[in-house]
Amino acid sequence: EAGVAQSPRYKIIEKRQSVAFWCNPISGHATLYWYQQILGQGPKLLIQFQNNGVVDDSQLPKDRFSAERLKGVDSTLKIQPAKLEDSAVYLCASSLDTGGETQYFGPGTRLLVL
Amino acid sequence: SQQGEEDPQALSIQEGENATMNCSYKTSINNLQWYRQNSGRGLVHLILIRSNEREKHSGRLRVTLDTSKKSSSLLITASRAADTASYFCASVFDTGRRALTFGSGTRLQVQP
Repeated sequence: EAGVAQSPRYKIIEKRQSVAFWCNPISGHATLYWYQQILGQGPKLLIQFQNNGVVDDSQLPKDRFSAERLKGVDSTLKIQPAKLEDSAVYLCASSLDTGGETQYFGPGTRLLVL
Repeated sequence: SQQGEEDPQALSIQEGENATMNCSYKTSINNLQWYRQNSGRGLVHLILIRSNEREKHSGRLRVTLDTSKKSSSLLITASRAADTASYFCASVFDTGRRALTFGSGTRLQVQP
């Protein structure tokens, strides 16, 4: 069974530029999560989708971050414009449902904003 | 913040020794999970313990949960160099919100 796929693995941009990350969850997983992990900290949830609907985006900085999961499968997370403090690893995870059960994580995208 | 706290922040032991990591949280939970993260990689689920369980085992892992103290511990027995990683506890709070809330992690170094 293929795991959660993410791309790109690394990205370096200058502040005020825009960037997009892509995630393909495990086949059949209804729920998809995006987390931000700043160096030395635990992951923090940005947004949670169930199928193509948003379940929780309370911690998403909506003035600069956006995410979509149009067909209920893969998802994109966008930052526009990026700030220095957005430098982090962006992790995508998926789970079968929203029951608070095991989540499966992708390898992450490491973003550096200069 | 509802985020859990873990201690120690860092732990260095010799191969063959046991490693114990602790996690505390602030709000009633539905379940608590432990994840491992190797350097530069995604997180791997290790074990899930529900709020009505007190202890759970998986191979060399033993997790305990004390809901009265709002704390959990992860014990890795007979550690190996390959266990070197960061370990995170993650809570699913009993508030209807089902997303994981991660602690700050314990960085474990196992010396060969």
